[in-house]
Amino acid sequence: EVQLVESGGGLVQPGGSLRLSCAAFGFTFSDHYMEWVRQTPGKGLEWVGRIRDKGHSYTTEYAASVKGRFTISRDDSKSSLYLQMNSLTVDDTAVYYCARRAIPTRGPFDLWGQGTMVTVSS
Amino acid sequence: IQLTQSPSFLSASVGDRVTITCRASQGISSYLAWYHQKPGKAPNLLIYSASILQTGVPSRFSGSGSGTEFTLTISSLQPEDSATYYCQQLNSFPLTFGGGTKVEI
Repeated sequence: EVQLVESGGGLVQPGGSLRLSCAAFGFTFSDHYMEWVRQTPGKGLEWVGRIRDKGHSYTTEYAASVKGRFTISRDDSKSSLYLQMNSLTVDDTAVYYCARRAIPTRGPFDLWGQGTMVTVSS
Repeated sequence: IQLTQSPSFLSASVGDRVTITCRASQGISSYLAWYHQKPGKAPNLLIYSASILQTGVPSRFSGSGSGTEFTLTISSLQPEDSATYYCQQLNSFPLTFGGGTKVEI
């Protein structure tokens, strides 16, 4: 089955760190750019960042709100995507989704994981 | 690029024709996608490139527009269409989403 499965969410104190993982199944993970998107409780969607494929040197893009604190990486041999989150604040509390970008240029997010909840609180 | 959706909430009956608008703060060509999201679930892609129906999505959904104004239309609303609908621009970074339109049946 084609799917994305996130893990690693939980409760963390302000200033702490957390690493999220996203495992891909049923498709050629290495062919796709991958994304992270978050959703604060009861609110809308915020794009977090992107990692491109090997052909584009695994380059990354980030939202201004997380740049310098979050790092996206991938391991194509494990079909896995990661989000390292440092210096967390209460404003980072959200459900975090990984998503697959469709291959056409500026393609949409055509496959999403189920999400993992991150709560930043003392 | 800011995306403004309207309305933020709508209530309609089964069989109604429903239209949601998404306005971009600057031109984004046709690099716009529509998703719907049900409570506790991840968003699901409906339309991309402003007007192309994603595989498996019912034909009662359609999209139109380019530049700064876009619409999502549901030609005959069904009970399972109760959800929150989001537009997303893919033209430039940071990628952004509209604030959402909650559709109640």
